[in-house]
Amino acid sequence: SQELEQSPQSLIVQEGKNLTINCTSSKTLYGLYWYKQKYGEGLIFLMMLQKGGEEKSHEKITAKLDEKKQQSSLHITASQPSHAGIYLCGADILSGRIIQGAQKLVFGQGTRLTINP
Amino acid sequence: DVKVTQSSRYLVKRTGEKVFLECVQDMDHENMFWYRQDPGLGLRLIYFSYDVKMKEKGDIPEGYSVSREKKERFSLILESASTNQTSMYLCASSLRGGGAWGVFGPGTRLTVL
Repeated sequence: SQELEQSPQSLIVQEGKNLTINCTSSKTLYGLYWYKQKYGEGLIFLMMLQKGGEEKSHEKITAKLDEKKQQSSLHITASQPSHAGIYLCGADILSGRIIQGAQKLVFGQGTRLTINP
Repeated sequence: DVKVTQSSRYLVKRTGEKVFLECVQDMDHENMFWYRQDPGLGLRLIYFSYDVKMKEKGDIPEGYSVSREKKERFSLILESASTNQTSMYLCASSLRGGGAWGVFGPGTRLTVL
């Protein structure tokens, strides 16, 4: 089973509309990262959240981490064709096994966003 | 510009061949990771390394091995490639202790015929 669940898996919105992508874990998230991926390419870092209740914005994208640090949302305002792609959340999840400080990143399944003109 | 580079963007190999995927980072990061990405399954961790010559199995290590002889280089080895290893392979690095964002390479799309 996935340690990080993303929803929805696929999203089609009209250009100019707002949208939200969610990322949920049953474990505490010690560092939540949002990435964007263009089809067939590597991941581009968007934002990192660490503190409960934290919110960050970059241009028209806002990411929040809830107070319990188990859920994050990514909100895009007034979507544009350039926002299309796959959005992935990744997290440091302390699973009780810390090896010399290394923390592996686990990822959600991704959300494929399509923007219709 | 800090970066992670991967030796090939596209690779085509035949079943049974030994395949090497190379990853190099220039940020002096302690941790390095190899993931594979498949539709509907997202990114799955194959192996990671937290120091030179150290390695740890991820979630799907079967059929793979790794090598980290130098801090900046992390190699993924497919001893005998199979068709079910056709995938996008992504390398990443991060600072020890987390708290910093991971940097990803551009990916290698491997096709095994």
